[in-house]
Amino acid sequence: KQEVTQIPAALSVPEGENLVLNCSFTDSAIYNLQWFRQDPGKGLTSLLLIQSSQREQTSGRLNASLDKSSGRSTLYIAASQPGDSATYLCAAPLRASRLTFGEGTQLTVNP
Amino acid sequence: GAGVSQSPSNKVTEKGKDVELRCDPISGHTALYWYRQSLGQGLEFLIYFQGNSAPDKSGLPSDRFSAERTGGSVSTLTIQRTQQEDSAVYLCASSFSAHYEQYFGPGTRLTVT
Repeated sequence: KQEVTQIPAALSVPEGENLVLNCSFTDSAIYNLQWFRQDPGKGLTSLLLIQSSQREQTSGRLNASLDKSSGRSTLYIAASQPGDSATYLCAAPLRASRLTFGEGTQLTVNP
Repeated sequence: GAGVSQSPSNKVTEKGKDVELRCDPISGHTALYWYRQSLGQGLEFLIYFQGNSAPDKSGLPSDRFSAERTGGSVSTLTIQRTQQEDSAVYLCASSFSAHYEQYFGPGTRLTVT
């Protein structure tokens, strides 16, 4: 079965800490991988898209890496802030272009 | 520019009634996706439209679900004879083409009583 898995399921950190969210996927031939943020009761906000030919993608305090051979991606958040509190989802097109999502990591950044 | 919009934002309906959910994709995007997010099930794919090609309906959970995309733009997801297990948030996404970055709308929260 094609799957996307995220660990940890939940993470609570003090403000200012650097943190890493992990995502693993079963198909090394993916076109790309996308990281999203979801706030409670809201839709998904795209954070970063990493193409299969890339190893890293950066946006502000966010850095995402992709290692296709090992089936892993990480999202690194630098100098976390309370406003970063949300659920973070990774997703990959494991069947055609439709996305298969992980279960998400619920992040809480405490002031 | 305008993002993906969905209407209504909330819908409460009685079991057995039909509902229609609407999605307006980003202008110029040829790919349109419907997903469903429910407690305990996570986010799951429902249906995918790409240009004028036949839609990929492989994610639709039953024949009570159908969708159409008119003029390559607006899409409507229809659920007939709604059941309580249909209660979920229905999310629409669009992208420039297949395998491009997907942008999501705010979703429609459907509650079947």
